[in-house]
Amino acid sequence: GQSLEQPSEVTAVEGAIVQINCTYQTSGFYGLSWYQQHDGGAPTFLSYNGLDGLEETGRFSSFLSRSDSYGYLLLQELQMKDSASYFCAVRDGARNAGNMLTFGGGTRLMVKP
Amino acid sequence: DTGVSQDPRHKITKRGQNVTFRCDPISEHNRLYWYRQTLGQGPEFLTYFQNEAQLEKSRLLSDRFSAERPKGSFSTLEIQRTEQGDSAMYLCASSLGTGGGYTFGSGTRLTVV
Repeated sequence: GQSLEQPSEVTAVEGAIVQINCTYQTSGFYGLSWYQQHDGGAPTFLSYNGLDGLEETGRFSSFLSRSDSYGYLLLQELQMKDSASYFCAVRDGARNAGNMLTFGGGTRLMVKP
Repeated sequence: DTGVSQDPRHKITKRGQNVTFRCDPISEHNRLYWYRQTLGQGPEFLTYFQNEAQLEKSRLLSDRFSAERPKGSFSTLEIQRTEQGDSAMYLCASSLGTGGGYTFGSGTRLTVV
């Protein structure tokens, strides 16, 4: 089975940097993904790490350490619109190679002026 | 193509009634997923299709739930004899390949009264 742990809530001020951590336990591991979800909206894909290291996409970066079963999402130059829930998810490639994802419980980020 | 479409957006039904939801994925995506999300939680996997074949179904899913994807295009999710515990957001997603990036629809919010 799979389980993921991430903080339930994080608060930061506009313009700051925030890091959302995710630790996981899986029976098979084929990558860590991050999704953003605004209240009432659909989850939207942010990033994917299949290998160790840092992936950067604009103001967002994601890091993975497979030996530590750990990853994080880094958000820089925070904007009010970044207030949302952020989910880490692991891909279980062993399940019929279907790319099924198991999601964490989500971290609610509140950006204050 | 404008993304993943789900219909209806909202559904209120009486306990014991049957409901059916529809999902139209991105046309070139061969993989389609159904997830369920309750307030404050991450999406929970329900079932997965590759083309028209249903390859995986969550062990948590009762026999009251059934899904189809005729001709490998749109998909339907039916819930029979609804219960109050079925109240949730039902999300459909599609993907191409195994890069971890799903495209989610806006979901169908089901309320069982």
